[in-house]
Amino acid sequence: DTEVTQTPKHLVMGMTNKKSLKCEQHMGHRAMYWYKQKAKKPPELMFVYSYEKLSINESVPSRFSPECPNSSLLNLHLHALQPEDSALYLCASSQEMREGYEQYFGPGTRLTVT
Amino acid sequence: RKEVEQDPGPFNVPEGATVAFNCTYSNSASQSFFWYRQDCRKEPKLLMSVYSSGNEDGRFTAQLNRASQYISLLIRDSKLSDSATYLCAVITRGSQGNLIFGKGTKLSVKP
Repeated sequence: DTEVTQTPKHLVMGMTNKKSLKCEQHMGHRAMYWYKQKAKKPPELMFVYSYEKLSINESVPSRFSPECPNSSLLNLHLHALQPEDSALYLCASSQEMREGYEQYFGPGTRLTVT
Repeated sequence: RKEVEQDPGPFNVPEGATVAFNCTYSNSASQSFFWYRQDCRKEPKLLMSVYSSGNEDGRFTAQLNRASQYISLLIRDSKLSDSATYLCAVITRGSQGNLIFGKGTKLSVKP
C-alpha cells in the first residue's frame, strides 16, 4: 500500500472554478513532487519541493499554484484551467531531492476540466 | 532524439514465458535508473532501482549497461498479474530529482 495519499481521487471542474489537490506522505521524506500524466503518455514533472521550499517549476502556467504547508503536505491550487489540463495529477515523494533516491507515487487525482 | 526510449510493445506472451524489456537513455549524465510498473488508470509503482552491478528481486532482474547507455528488465515465469505497462525512468546528475520516464512498454500475459 502506498504511503502517499492524494485527495480527491476524481475531480470535475469548470474553467472558472478554483479547486485544490492535496497530497500527504507519511514516510518522513523531505522532497515532494507534482507530476502530470496525460493519457497514453508518461508522467512529466511540474514542481519539486525540497525541505518545504520550491526548487523546480518546470515552466508550468500560473493557473497551477503549488504550496507546501509542511514537510508532509503538498497542495496544488487550480484556477481558470483549460480543457487541455485534464489529466492524472500525481504526487510523489523521496527521501531527498537528488539522484539516487527512489520516488514513490500517490494514487493520483484524475482531473477533468469542462 | 528522446531522452529515454522504450519499445512501446505490446508484448503478448503466454504464462510462464520469459520476457525482456530494454530502455535506452541519451544523456550520459544520467545517474539513477528505475523500473516502474503502471496498471491501467493507476499510479506508477516502483518495481526496482537499477544498479551497475545488476539486481534481482524474485522473478525480476534488472541490468544497467553504462557504456551502451541502456537498462533492461527481465521477467521470468511471467504471471497473468504481470500484465501492465513497464516504465523505465532516469534521473540526471544535478537535475534535482527530475524523473524522466520512457513512454512505457505494455505487457499482456495470456493464459
